[in-house]
Amino acid sequence: DTAVSQTPKYLVTQMGNDKSIKCEQNLGHDTMYWYKQDSKKFLKIMFSYNNKELIINETVPNRFSPKSPDKAHLNLHINSLELGDSAVYFCASSETGVTGELFFGEGSRLTVL
Amino acid sequence: QKEVEQNSGPLSVPEGAIASLNCTYSDRGSQSFFWYRQYSGKSPELIMSIYSNGDKEDGRFTAQLNKASQYVSLLIRDSQPSDSATYLCAPDAGGSYQLTFGKGTKLSVIP
Repeated sequence: DTAVSQTPKYLVTQMGNDKSIKCEQNLGHDTMYWYKQDSKKFLKIMFSYNNKELIINETVPNRFSPKSPDKAHLNLHINSLELGDSAVYFCASSETGVTGELFFGEGSRLTVL
Repeated sequence: QKEVEQNSGPLSVPEGAIASLNCTYSDRGSQSFFWYRQYSGKSPELIMSIYSNGDKEDGRFTAQLNKASQYVSLLIRDSQPSDSATYLCAPDAGGSYQLTFGKGTKLSVIP
């Protein structure tokens, strides 16, 4: 069983479109994250949710909107996609209070044409 | 602004040698430090954590921390080709939920 799973793994779309990436974890963790890794391999946090509550909201365009329907799921919706949004988006989870032990999903590679 | 500096490499070492990966960080409030390994095209995975000054050993891996110098390192003994990957240093942000990742050092172990 995959611990943190993301769908889709690959996404190719045109500028201006709206797309979503879904994430689910079966580890029983309370905290989930979205990270973005750009072409230079720089891994940056975007959002974090703890028990469905937003706790970290880094400076990202408001075109990006996370949603956590329950503590096992964290989705990312992106409106009006731009070329610069092309990256690999990683979902991760951790136990509450255990800040550094992240379990990452396989990543979703988004390419905006 | 919190910064984490790593030599991007690539760092090439022969098989069986010791690989030394270094990291400096700017946030004096960081309390916990983590090393993640990321194979090409894969997701990062945690390989070491260190919380106190000094050394921590786990198999062929040794993490070293010096908070006064704001320096953390990872030594890999008896390097194997399977260790070829990018190693990401990640201090916490003063005990918050957030990690600040360095850009990583790409290690290549030559058979």
